[in-house]
Amino acid sequence: EDKVVQSPLSLVVHEGDTVTLNCSYEVTNFRSLLWYKQEKKAPTFLFMLTSSGIEKKSGRLSSILDKKELFSILNITATQTGDSAVYLCAVRADYQLIWGAGTKLIIKP
Amino acid sequence: DTAVSQTPKYLVTQMGNDKSIKCEQNLGHDTMYWYKQDSKKFLKIMFSYNNKELIINETVPNRFSPKSPDKAHLNLHINSLELGDSAVYFCASSQEIISFNEQFFGPGTRLTVL
Repeated sequence: EDKVVQSPLSLVVHEGDTVTLNCSYEVTNFRSLLWYKQEKKAPTFLFMLTSSGIEKKSGRLSSILDKKELFSILNITATQTGDSAVYLCAVRADYQLIWGAGTKLIIKP
Repeated sequence: DTAVSQTPKYLVTQMGNDKSIKCEQNLGHDTMYWYKQDSKKFLKIMFSYNNKELIINETVPNRFSPKSPDKAHLNLHINSLELGDSAVYFCASSQEIISFNEQFFGPGTRLTVL
């Protein structure tokens, strides 16, 4: 059965810290991996990764995919309280998007 | 202007009732989706329509019936509501079928079945 597992489930850090969120997957016919940020409303898109080893970067956020080991990481440097959210990972397989349960990130001032 | 809108935002109802949630997108996208997000934050795809045609129909009870009157609308009708239907339901749209680009999500409808 296809599955996407995120870890940790929750994480509390102080402002300014760097965090690494993990997403591992077992999916048939992998096409791409996506990261979303969900605050109190709907998920908003962060990154889409299709190739191994190529880092995607947006400001303080970056992500990389390892298709051999079947995982991706999302890094956030110099965290701010506004980064507090649930970070969701989803894997596209053919016409399906399989979602992880998310990592709840809390940034303390 | 809201890109993907859902109504209502909150829905509280009794077990056994029938209810509908509406979704509209003004992005000109061809594909729309319904997701169910449970209390553990899993987002599970329920249905996907491309140009008014059903392309994904996951294992959901027959009590759930999507209807797409045109490609800008995808409504979700639920018959005989059960306690386990309580969740947040998200509508989303994308330009293509499970687009390589982002999916745009609606604000969600929090359904509570008592």
